[in-house]
Amino acid sequence: EVQLVESGGDVVQPGGSLRLSCAASGFIFTSYALSWVRQAPGKGLEWVAGISNSGISTYFVDSVKGRFTISRDNSKNTVYLQMNSVRAEDTAIYYCAKDEFGISTGGWDHWGQGTLVSVSP
Amino acid sequence: QSVVAQPPSASGTPGQGVTISCSGSSSNIGTNYVYWYQHLPGTAPKLLIYRNNQRPSGVPDRFSGSKSGTSASLAISGLRSEDEADYYCVAWDDSLSGPVFGGGTKLTVL
Repeated sequence: EVQLVESGGDVVQPGGSLRLSCAASGFIFTSYALSWVRQAPGKGLEWVAGISNSGISTYFVDSVKGRFTISRDNSKNTVYLQMNSVRAEDTAIYYCAKDEFGISTGGWDHWGQGTLVSVSP
Repeated sequence: QSVVAQPPSASGTPGQGVTISCSGSSSNIGTNYVYWYQHLPGTAPKLLIYRNNQRPSGVPDRFSGSKSGTSASLAISGLRSEDEADYYCVAWDDSLSGPVFGGGTKLTVL
């Protein structure tokens, strides 16, 4: 059974940093791309960042470029989202999602339950 | 404002059918696969349709997807109360180098 378990969500001050983790199991981790998708309060879903199966290719939505990085440790079956210089508008539930391919396509066949990030003074 | 447009709301009565549209451009829907998700806020989104019109195992055949040009649609037949949720379309956008969500459609089963 595929499982994605996010952790690391917390309350953080504007300008601060936070690292989210997503521990994966139940599939061949090195074969699939992974993404982070968020939902801000009262808003729709928004893709944030993606990483290819090898980790060579990474992608970001414009609003987080230069502030967030995505990485993966294929020896630990874990993907990370490093969030720096956070802003109030980064407040959201962050979901980890597994792509159906080794590259990011927007086709996420499994999702985690999410972890809450709250940016507040 | 998303580059992929969906109606903000849709509704129907139990047993009826409803169609949710998704309008994009040549850089996203026109050249890439469309995916549809069902989401109840606070829970994990669920993949309903992949590669334009394919259903994952376990998704009822009441759900179907189609694509034509730069638009796509999700059709739900035989509406049930448990279908009440938010629905999103997604497609990779070649200009943005990332997947884009439609704004989402809130489906109400009256």
